[in-house]
Amino acid sequence: DAGVIQSPRHEVTEMGQEVTLRCKLISGHNSLFWYRQTMMRGLELLIYFNNNVPIDDSGMPEDRFSAKMPNASFSTLKIQPSEPRDSAVYFCASSNGQGARADTQYFGPGTRLTVL
Amino acid sequence: AQSVTQLGSHVSVSEGALVLLRCNYSSSVPPYLFWYVQYPNQGLQLLLKYTTGATLVKGINGFEAEFKKSETSFHLTKPSAHMSDAAEYFCAVSDTPGMNTGFQKLVFGTGTRLLVSP
Repeated sequence: DAGVIQSPRHEVTEMGQEVTLRCKLISGHNSLFWYRQTMMRGLELLIYFNNNVPIDDSGMPEDRFSAKMPNASFSTLKIQPSEPRDSAVYFCASSNGQGARADTQYFGPGTRLTVL
Repeated sequence: AQSVTQLGSHVSVSEGALVLLRCNYSSSVPPYLFWYVQYPNQGLQLLLKYTTGATLVKGINGFEAEFKKSETSFHLTKPSAHMSDAAEYFCAVSDTPGMNTGFQKLVFGTGTRLLVSP
């Protein structure tokens, strides 16, 4: 299996522009997590989907952020408009479970976003 | 909510020396505990996890961790460091279930960067 696939790996954009990050889950997995990693705040969960349904979006910073799962194997995280403070590494992870305590999450390589 | 404290943002060892990375947790329920490793420019990879049962957990690449309830600790060890172990290591604990969703997210520590010198 190719593992979790994220694109692009690097994104540099200007403040105010729309940014779309993409994630392909591991085949057969039904849970999807979006994380943000920064030096200041560490690794934070943004949103969790199970069977294409958003279950917990309490970590989404504000309305500028939105996430979708148009099908069982693909997700997007959109930031519109982007701001310099959104600069971070964004990871998606997938698992085969129900968000249970012991589920192992498999992380993608991340997208490094820089907003100028 | 649960929390994790990793003592030491950086740990330096010589190749062949013992690796000890410290993790203490706070949990109002019996914890499920995880160690993840992040190599440069890569995502996190599970090293090992404790759920129930045996308190000494063996993981990949020769790492192991011991759950000590009395000390609320889950320290990660490896008897002999290798250059390829240089990476950032994250301890995590499963949070309590969400009231409406039952979802239990992972709460991560701030990470410890392991440096291995020849």
